[in-house]
Amino acid sequence: DGGITQSPKYLFRKEGQNVTLSCEQNLNHDAMYWYRQDPGQGLRLIYYSQIVNDFQKGDIAEGYSVSREKKESFPLTVTSAQKNPTAFYLCASSIYGTSGSYEQYFGPGTRLTVT
Amino acid sequence: AQSVTQLDSHVSVSEGTPVLLRCNYSSSYSPSLFWYVQHPNKGLQLLLKYTSAATLVKGINGFEAEFKKSETSFHLTKPSAHMSDAAEYFCVVTGFQKLVFGTGTRLLVSP
Repeated sequence: DGGITQSPKYLFRKEGQNVTLSCEQNLNHDAMYWYRQDPGQGLRLIYYSQIVNDFQKGDIAEGYSVSREKKESFPLTVTSAQKNPTAFYLCASSIYGTSGSYEQYFGPGTRLTVT
Repeated sequence: AQSVTQLDSHVSVSEGTPVLLRCNYSSSYSPSLFWYVQHPNKGLQLLLKYTSAATLVKGINGFEAEFKKSETSFHLTKPSAHMSDAAEYFCVVTGFQKLVFGTGTRLLVSP
């Protein structure tokens, strides 16, 4: 079964702690993405990666970090510098092409609560 | 720059009646457009996509959308709503190296 997995589904942390969210895909997609979703808002892009060992900041990268050491994995670390980390985090992947018509496939999400 | 506007934050329908979710887009080139659906606490699922082929696009679960360049619109329709259609719907346009999401329309379906 091909798809994207995110773990855990729910995550609780104390303020001041770093936390890493997992994202794995077996679709053989080149590109991977991290989004943040807050109630009543659309998706906001945190980071994206088009190839292994390369990634770019999205619209709201401050307080987050990523790595892309393997094609199938794109973990996101929420650092203590992120002022308001409680949110629903979505990982996605897509075929990367120059045509621009690439749809993204999403994982089930991780709900992070920081108190 | 590419952008997308979903004209309604909430739409309420009765089961069995038609659904219309409105989306206008702005793009400096011929865009690709998508509709995604999100059920509570779930990831997003692709409903349908427009990639400059037929202007009327059919998707899953009986949904379809029509690309109208003259009106810069890509409205989502379904002839008869089902209770299971209650969810959040996102209209999306391709941007440079990334997708641009609308703010979403919540569809409420009453019995």
